[in-house]
Amino acid sequence: EVQLLESGGGLVQPGGSLRLSCAASGFTFSNYAMRWVRQAPGKGLEWVSTISTSGGSTYYADSVKGRFTISRDNSKNTLYLQMNSLRAEETAMYYCAGTLRGDYIYWGQGTLVTVSS
Amino acid sequence: EIVMTQSPATLSVSPGERATLSCRASQSVSSNLAWYQQKPGQAPRLLIYGASTRATGIPARFSGSGSGTEFSLTISSLQSEDFAVYYCQQYNNWPPDTFGQGTKLEIK
Repeated sequence: EVQLLESGGGLVQPGGSLRLSCAASGFTFSNYAMRWVRQAPGKGLEWVSTISTSGGSTYYADSVKGRFTISRDNSKNTLYLQMNSLRAEETAMYYCAGTLRGDYIYWGQGTLVTVSS
Repeated sequence: EIVMTQSPATLSVSPGERATLSCRASQSVSSNLAWYQQKPGQAPRLLIYGASTRATGIPARFSGSGSGTEFSLTISSLQSEDFAVYYCQQYNNWPPDTFGQGTKLEIK
C-alpha cells in the first residue's frame, strides 16, 4: 500500500521556521519527482515546490523563493520542506505528492501549519 | 504562467443524474491535464490524467475529454460519494504547476 506521511506542522509565530517531512512507503520513492502543495483554509490548491528524482533540480513558487528549501533523502525515502520567515498568509494544510508525468499520483494526508502570534 | 479557469463554481445535481464540469486553460496545454476529487477533511485524489485516462481504481462513470484549452469532466450517474470539490491541473508548462479554483458539486 502506498503511503505518504507528512509531519512537522504546528503553530509558529510570524517570522519563524518549520521543517516538514514526508515519509514514503509502498512505491519506489527514488523514481518519482516530489512536490509540496498547500491549501489555505477554505481555499484551493497552490503549488509550492518540486524536486527531481535525484534531488539535483528544484523549483519554487515565486511567493516562497528564497525562504523555502525542498530536499529529499532517497536512502530514507523521505522528502523535506524547510520553511523560513513564515507569514500569516501561509497558514495552510501542506501536502506532499508524488508525480511521474506531472500529475499528482500519490498524496499524503497533509500537515497543518498555522502562522500566528 | 498558465491560468486555469473552472466553471461553474458550484454545480447542483441530483443523484443519478449526469454532471459535466468545465476547465479552460489560458493557453494550450495539449492533453497534459489532470482532474482531482477532494472530499472534506481529505487529501485530493487523482481521477483523470492525460485529459482522458482514468487513474487506477477510478470508476468508469468518470470520464474526461478535451485538448488544447478546453476540457471537461463528466460523471455519468452521480452517486452519493461523488459530491465533492473537483480541481483541474495542467502539467504541460511548469513550473509553476497550476490548478483551477475548483468546482463544488453539491446535492440538488
